[in-house]
Formats: sequence, C-alpha cells, structure tokens
Amino acid sequence: SQTIHQWPATLVQPVGSPLSLECTVEGTSNPNLYWYRQAAGRGLQLLFYSVGIGQISSEVPQNLSASRPQDRQFILSSKKLLLSDSGFYLCAWSADWQETQYFGPGTRLLVL
Amino acid sequence: GNSVTQMEGPVTLSEEAFLTINCTYTATGYPSLFWYVQYPGEGLQLLLKATKADDKGSNKGFEATYRKETTSFHLEKGSVQVSDSAVYFCALRTYHPVEGSSNTGKLIFGQGTTLQVKP
Repeated sequence: SQTIHQWPATLVQPVGSPLSLECTVEGTSNPNLYWYRQAAGRGLQLLFYSVGIGQISSEVPQNLSASRPQDRQFILSSKKLLLSDSGFYLCAWSADWQETQYFGPGTRLLVL
Repeated sequence: GNSVTQMEGPVTLSEEAFLTINCTYTATGYPSLFWYVQYPGEGLQLLLKATKADDKGSNKGFEATYRKETTSFHLEKGSVQVSDSAVYFCALRTYHPVEGSSNTGKLIFGQGTTLQVKP
C-alpha cells in the first residue's frame, strides 16, 4: 500500500532563517505531487505541483520554492522565512491528475 | 473562476443529531467533488467523492449528492458522534482545464467547516 511521510511534524523558526520541508511517498512510482498551505483560519491553497522529476509548477508567487530531486521526494524550501509563511503545510500525491489526492500528516510551521 | 463556498462554522451539535454542512461550487467544465476531513492535529483524509452529476458519495455514515442543477454537494449524516468532531473541507477538481493550461489535478478547497459534537 502507498504511504506518504512528511517531516518535521512541527517547526519553529525565526524570521529570515531558511526552511526545508520534506515529503516522501512509498509504494508508488511517478506520482503527481502537491504542496498545499493552510493558513490560520483559512482554507487550503495549492502552492506547487509536480508531474515528474525536476518538473515544478508554481501556483502563486511567494517566498517559497519547491524541488523534486527524486521520483518520490518533494521538498519545499525558503531562503528567508517571513512571518506570513507560518501555517500548516500539507503534501499530497495522486497516481495521475484525475485520480484522488492523498495527503500526508502535515508540518506545522511557526515563524517568530 | 472556479471556487467552493462552505457554510461558516463552527457547527455545534449534540450526539445523535442530524448533520448538514452546505457546500456550493462554481466551476467550468465538469468537476469532480470531494469532502475531506481533518481531525485535530492531523492531515486531511478523503471522506467521500462524486465524479458526475447525481452521483452519491458515501462513507462512515456520511453522504453527499452531486447536484448539478443547484451546483451543490452538501454533506449529511443522520446521527453524529463525538468522534466526528473535526474540520470538514469541500473541494472540487475540474475535468476540463482552462484553455492554455495543463491538467494539474489541482484541488480547490472551501474554507472548511468546524464541527463540534457534544456528548
């Protein structure tokens, strides 16, 4: 069966520090991968998606970037965090764009 | 553009009460519709889905019917339990992409509705 992992589970970082969140998927190959953010009191917003290694599409301009160095690894990064980057970051995968998306447990980021 | 609107919460019910969480959508093409649930401190789990008009998704006693005529996908449960306390998200995924873009599988979520069930 397929599983999706995210780490760390919780992160507290100072403003201006770098960020690296990791997401890995097991039990499938060539998945579509997605990064969403859930800001406090708001719904989820798609940040990035990837249909293959090295292929990243950004949905909204922001202080973040994403990379996919391996087939089942998706990384969310920032060079300098802003207060507004605080939120709950969720990674998701699907077998194809038209298939159901399955979400990881999430990373709660607090920027102080 | 495509959007999802959910009723505002929190919704507070007593155990065994009937639940309805309203969800309406605006979309081009023929969207698939989803309900996801987020339990405290956890990620999202797919609760149910419907991929075409008049389909009924169901799971764990929850149901939602895809109503194209009213562009709605309301979530219902006949008798809620304390363990149903969570945040519920309605979402859509368009089938036909906006011209000039590729199919991404992008989910568009509503803002979420918090359900609190009291014993």
